[in-house]
Amino acid sequence: GAGVSQTPSNKVTEKGKYVELRCDPISGHTALYWYRQSLGQGPEFLIYFQGTGAADDSGLPNDRFFAVRPEGSVSTLKIQRTERGDSAVYLCASSRGLAGGKTGELFFGEGSRLTVL
Amino acid sequence: GESVGLHLPTLSVQEGDNSIINCAYSNSASDYFIWYKQESGKGPQFIIDIRSNMDKRQGQRVTVLLNKTVKHLSLQIAATQPGDSAVYFCAENSGGSNYKLTFGKGTLLTVNP
Repeated sequence: GAGVSQTPSNKVTEKGKYVELRCDPISGHTALYWYRQSLGQGPEFLIYFQGTGAADDSGLPNDRFFAVRPEGSVSTLKIQRTERGDSAVYLCASSRGLAGGKTGELFFGEGSRLTVL
Repeated sequence: GESVGLHLPTLSVQEGDNSIINCAYSNSASDYFIWYKQESGKGPQFIIDIRSNMDKRQGQRVTVLLNKTVKHLSLQIAATQPGDSAVYFCAENSGGSNYKLTFGKGTLLTVNP
């Protein structure tokens, strides 16, 4: 596709359940990012991948959150034992890399809205 | 902790007017700044960026101004159109990071016809 694709667009789950959120970045983009956006707030950094490896996962809130990118393209954000406070829009973004040593233009997907009941 | 913030949470303008959205940042080590536009139900969309070695950068109908002395960033939109209605976020590369962005809370811009 032309843009960053995220599935599902909406996910409603019960407290304690496990969820997976998928991100398909723009073809050829080596850098992939996950951000979380709570209602009325700006996106907050979760994790950054360069290729297959998580170069920085310092934004993950706790060990219930984990993300993978096994082949350097599609990424999955995994949340175990979901809590109501995990409810948010999870945004994925990709970029060609570090343009001039900086992020350059990030292309965001439309997000996966997670609601934990 | 240090963060990016916005002075005005909402801004309402008439179609055709110019809009100015302001942002204050406090991390003096940040050297790259970006403005994003987010429409309802969509992800943020890149508008324009500026590096700290510049004071001003212009795009199509948009201008970003950077005042490092007072740590202030602004986005100017010329001849605002109804399609410009959205939430606008400023973001900084956290303390000079090559990849991590810190976003402000956002300003809701409403353009009245």
